[in-house]
Amino acid sequence: DIQMTQSPSTLSASVGDRVIISCRASQTIDGWLAWYQQKPGKAPKLLIYEASVLESGVPSRFSGSASGTEFTLTINSLQPDDFATYSCQHYYSYWRTFGQGTKVEIK
Amino acid sequence: EVQLLESGGGFVQPGGSLRLSCVASGFTFRHSAMSWVRLAPGRGLEWVSAVTDDGDRTYYTDSVQGRFTISRDNSKNTLFLQMDSLRVEDTAIYFCAKAGHCGSTSCPFDSWGQGTLVTVSS
Repeated sequence: DIQMTQSPSTLSASVGDRVIISCRASQTIDGWLAWYQQKPGKAPKLLIYEASVLESGVPSRFSGSASGTEFTLTINSLQPDDFATYSCQHYYSYWRTFGQGTKVEIK
Repeated sequence: EVQLLESGGGFVQPGGSLRLSCVASGFTFRHSAMSWVRLAPGRGLEWVSAVTDDGDRTYYTDSVQGRFTISRDNSKNTLFLQMDSLRVEDTAIYFCAKAGHCGSTSCPFDSWGQGTLVTVSS
């Protein structure tokens, strides 16, 4: 199985900060990577797919990038609504795996 | 608007069974592959099972293979997850998720339900 290693597990930040979350795949996934946002008691929300394509309706302060098996989610100018848990997921095969999640907390 | 509404969760003892359902609306259900994903207390999201749009092929994560069965009824726009031989470690919120923006082999999930809680405890 492909393992997804996400870091950090927790991140403290302030409104207006730039936040970067990393995700590493244990083997090539050809860029088939998605990022999700989840808030307590709510359904996860797709933010980015194909490593860097913004889902419709997602604010442009969110962006994704890739370099080999390393992937990053960047949030520019963090907003109050962005405090949540973020997870990466590969879809290189049907046996999709998620990263452990990164909780973005208020500093 | 895509809507996915799960039901069937509850409290069950180890070794017991539950059947989850997910009723879909707002899209052409028979054209979409579907999955179940769970979120256990203190853990990250975990993909559990998937079924192709026609229901012909199914996939499972190793920990539920042989115990869970995914199926769908395209005439009723409904996805199912039959869970047998439940274990304490199956305790989680179970989400039904729609595949979208597919790549060469598989897809991320572009819509999710609100989830249904399954608690396995003696």
